[in-house]
Amino acid sequence: QQQVKQSPQSLIVQKGGISIINCAYENTAFDYFPWYQQFPGKGPALLIAIRPDVSEKKEGRFTISFNKSAKQFSLHIMDSQPGDSATYFCAAGRSAGRRALTFGSGTRLQVQP
Amino acid sequence: GAVVSQHPSRVICKSGTSVKIECRSLDFQATTMFWYRQFPKQSLMLMATSNEGSKATYEQGVEKDKFLINHASLTLSTLTVTSAHPEDSSFYICSAPQGAVIDEKLFFGSGTQLSVL
Repeated sequence: QQQVKQSPQSLIVQKGGISIINCAYENTAFDYFPWYQQFPGKGPALLIAIRPDVSEKKEGRFTISFNKSAKQFSLHIMDSQPGDSATYFCAAGRSAGRRALTFGSGTRLQVQP
Repeated sequence: GAVVSQHPSRVICKSGTSVKIECRSLDFQATTMFWYRQFPKQSLMLMATSNEGSKATYEQGVEKDKFLINHASLTLSTLTVTSAHPEDSSFYICSAPQGAVIDEKLFFGSGTQLSVL
């Protein structure tokens, strides 16, 4: 599988702060970039996703920034809340052919009250 | 929204036994389902792609004789871990795409925690 690199591995943010998680990909054929949120013992749930034809997508407190030339994308969580404490995975996929996603290594976010 | 149901959520078995995990798409048909494996504090690694009506496609390094996949219908895929050993202990997750193209309509099951004693 093509690699998707994610950083940081863990992140501690104060309540109300901004959480930023970064990902970089290698395969230029990827054209779908979702972020998933996972709580312990549960499957991942889609948070927000972006396609390379836009540089930014915002949904509520969650924003994806996408830099096609650098092959990087990031998740910004504004006004972080303790309930946001979870593991976040970036992923990348291709519209054509097989539709399985390649996941990043995950970021454990802890939002302190 | 569409739901993918995965059972059981947790299973403990003795070494040498086989364990079957079911993944069902509850309100949509899925000709393809994906099976992932996740070790503690690690990412999801794709094991295989389950295809309704044909053989599963396994990722490199995944033993097809050990991880048997059967896509019996358009709403059910099963993963059987045969002759399980402690090293097979892991969190197994299935996912199913609702749409014909990759988009937001990719749903994940809640996962199965397998512990082999």
